[in-house]
Amino acid sequence: DIQMTQSPSSLSASVGDRVTITCRASQSISNDLNWYQQKPGKAPKLLIYTASSLQSGVPSRFSGSGSGTDFTLTISSLQPEDFATYSCQQNYGTPRTFGGGTKVEIK
Amino acid sequence: EVQLVESGGGLVRPGGSLRLSCAASGFTFNSYEMNWVRQAPGKGLEWVSYISSGGDTIYYADSVKGRFTISRDNAKNSLYLQMNSLRAEDTAVYYCARITYFVGFDYWGQGTLVTVSS
Repeated sequence: DIQMTQSPSSLSASVGDRVTITCRASQSISNDLNWYQQKPGKAPKLLIYTASSLQSGVPSRFSGSGSGTDFTLTISSLQPEDFATYSCQQNYGTPRTFGGGTKVEIK
Repeated sequence: EVQLVESGGGLVRPGGSLRLSCAASGFTFNSYEMNWVRQAPGKGLEWVSYISSGGDTIYYADSVKGRFTISRDNAKNSLYLQMNSLRAEDTAVYYCARITYFVGFDYWGQGTLVTVSS
């Protein structure tokens, strides 16, 4: 199975901060990497697919980059509604594994 | 509007069985691959099972293989997960999720809680 490792597992940031979350795959997955946002008690929401494509309706302050084994999700200017948990997920092989999640909290 | 609505969760004793359902609407159900994904309390997301649009290709996570069965009824726009020999570690919120090729899990249901406890 392809293991997905996210870092950090949590972070504290202020509104307006630039936030970067990383995800590393245990083997090359090309650009088959998606990012999800999840708020407490809610289902995950797709933000980014194929590493850098913005899902329809997602604000442009969210961006993704990377290929191979190393990927990054960036929020250019953190907004109050962005405090949530972010998870990466590989679409390269079965099982479709997820990272452990990064909780973004208010500083 | 795409909607996925899960049902069938609840409290069950270890070794018991439960059948989850997911009712789909707002899209052509028989054109899409579907999945079940679960999340244990306070934990990350875990993919559970996949079924192709026609139901002829199925995959399971090793943790549920031989105990869970995924199926679909395209005439009823419904997805199912039959869960047998349930264990405490199967306790989780179970989500049905649509997968779009090259995009990922683009729509999710609200989830249904399964609690396995004596």
